[in-house]
Amino acid sequence: GAVVSQHPSRVICKSGTSVKIECRSLDFQATTMFWYRQFPKQSLMLMATSNEGSKATYEQGVEKDKFLINHASLTLSTLTVTSAHPEDSSFYICSATRGGGETQYFGPGTRLLVL
Amino acid sequence: AQRVTQPEKLLSVFKGAPVELKCNYSYSGSPELFWYVQYSRQRLQLLLRHISRESIKGFTADLNKGETSFHLKKPFAQEEDSAMYYCALSGLGGNTPLVFGKGTRLSVIA
Repeated sequence: GAVVSQHPSRVICKSGTSVKIECRSLDFQATTMFWYRQFPKQSLMLMATSNEGSKATYEQGVEKDKFLINHASLTLSTLTVTSAHPEDSSFYICSATRGGGETQYFGPGTRLLVL
Repeated sequence: AQRVTQPEKLLSVFKGAPVELKCNYSYSGSPELFWYVQYSRQRLQLLLRHISRESIKGFTADLNKGETSFHLKKPFAQEEDSAMYYCALSGLGGNTPLVFGKGTRLSVIA
């Protein structure tokens, strides 16, 4: 159990377009989902914390109007990169937890390339 | 400030040799410490967490609060241990995000 999926796994888009990335917990209800970003050869950096039914909490330096997060259900969170630019090209990874001290389970990641 | 430091980007050892991946942290309060592993072309997965005190795949890690360290150890490395290893911390109580170190790539040479 405890599988987290992400869709798409890879996306290439033109500069100025918006891209939506989905994160789903397949066999458990995730009270909290996290979104991380990983640049090449660097570590994962937290972007935002998403609790079901409430607004996401963004880390300092992450623009909430650019990275829209919606956690509408206990099994789905979406990250929309609005008006993407080449500098947004990165590996985006989500994780999900049942809460209450349970471990986080990670999705496989989505590689975004903005041309 | 919360910080996780993994001083080695790359660690190469021979098969059968002992392995120690270093991790130091800074945190105001009582953190929970983790080791995550990422095998080639696979997702990040939990290797072990300090509160469970388990040994997974022969790996152990002891939290040393005095030295603020959580080094990962294995007495005899195997080729299948080759992977990227990330040390991470979070606050206690769950639902708190992880702060990751930069990772150490372990290469086990046959």
